[in-house]
Amino acid sequence: ETGVTQSPTHLIKTRGQQVTLRCSSQSGHNTVSWYQQALGQGPQFIFQYYREEENGRGNFPPRFSGLQFPNYSSELNVNALELDDSALYLCASSLASSYNEQFFGPGTRLTVL
Amino acid sequence: QKEVEQDPGPLSVPEGAIVSLNCTYSNSAFQYFMWYRQYSRKGPELLMYTYSSGNKEDGRFTAQVDKSSKYISLFIRDSQPSDSATYLCAMSTLSNDYKLSFGAGTTVTVRA
Repeated sequence: ETGVTQSPTHLIKTRGQQVTLRCSSQSGHNTVSWYQQALGQGPQFIFQYYREEENGRGNFPPRFSGLQFPNYSSELNVNALELDDSALYLCASSLASSYNEQFFGPGTRLTVL
Repeated sequence: QKEVEQDPGPLSVPEGAIVSLNCTYSNSAFQYFMWYRQYSRKGPELLMYTYSSGNKEDGRFTAQVDKSSKYISLFIRDSQPSDSATYLCAMSTLSNDYKLSFGAGTTVTVRA
């Protein structure tokens, strides 16, 4: 069984730039959620994708957007980067029938300078 | 007030001790309760998953949920240095918002 994978591992961007983060879900999982984890904090829900559509969203501005592809992989796009966007971005996959049981990838650490 | 409160610690215990972790919450709609373990610079790993009130045991780990008090606990018996990590509680409702609401995490160090 293949776990959740994310790329890249680390990323450094400057304020105002755009970034795309990628996630491959665990084998057999059809739902992908994205979370932002600031240093010393718990993960904060950004949004979830199911059947290639956004299925729920947390308190994040529209410059955070995403995609899900037919193979259930997903992208997180962030436009107009701000310094506060520096965080660990986590992808989690689950089955739609048990969406609470989410399995996380290793994360992408984004630094915005 | 945060929806989920968790004491960040840090917590330091000798090897073999029982580690006791807990979270409180304010949203009475939470029905699913999870505990994740997160090693430094890694993603969270699902440890325990429970529905509604009661106890659940898995090896050295025991999860307890008291919905009347809005209080959940995780106990780790016979703790090992490899248990040193940050432990995150997470919760969700039965509604269609699908999100997990996390505590801030408690950092645990088990001393050899």
